Amino acid sequence: DAMVIQNPRYQVTQFGKPVTLSCSQTLNHNVMYWYQQKSSQAPKLLFHYYDKDFNNEADTPDNFQSRRPNTSFCFLDIRSPGLGDAAMYLCATSREGEKETQYFGPGTRLLVL
Amino acid sequence: GEDVEQSLFLSVREGDSSVINCTYTDSSSTYLYWYKQEPGAGLQLLTYIFSNMDMKQDQRLTVLLNKKDKHLSLRIADTQTGDSAIYFCAEWWTDKLIFGTGTRLQVFP
Repeated sequence: DAMVIQNPRYQVTQFGKPVTLSCSQTLNHNVMYWYQQKSSQAPKLLFHYYDKDFNNEADTPDNFQSRRPNTSFCFLDIRSPGLGDAAMYLCATSREGEKETQYFGPGTRLLVL
Repeated sequence: GEDVEQSLFLSVREGDSSVINCTYTDSSSTYLYWYKQEPGAGLQLLTYIFSNMDMKQDQRLTVLLNKKDKHLSLRIADTQTGDSAIYFCAEWWTDKLIFGTGTRLQVFP
């Protein structure tokens, strides 16, 4: 059974057109993460939530926003995608007290035309 | 900032052992990890080791940690074609994971 689900798996958007990526989890974990992984590079943390407490990485561009309406769902909003935002976006979860063990979803590959 | 380095490629024959190496910079890291990523897929946690351990074995996987040299390795015994993937080393540092750039393992018959 899927534990961390990301939709869609592939997303095509136009330069400058807002796009939202979705992540849901059935693990009831209270910590959720968004990573960006560009081609042939390591995943890079964008931000994460402890419950509803939002934690932004210092070098995450303002163009990237996130929402977490409840424990199960977390969204990544890219307000004005540029060509450089084309990447794989990975969602992960972990349990409070076990933050070191993260469970990753399959990722959404974003293409910007 | 923290840096985790890996060699980019490794090619092995099916049935041989694979050894993937990683170096990291922060001696205070508490956990070190190995993740596997197959094409177009997310990251699968293979194994992890706590910093006070030297070795951990899990079926075909053996992790060795040399804290003095800040060197971590993953040995895959009896490598199979299904092991072909990118392997990421990662360390837990100040409340987040820092990943290496990944090693692409290619297994040929």
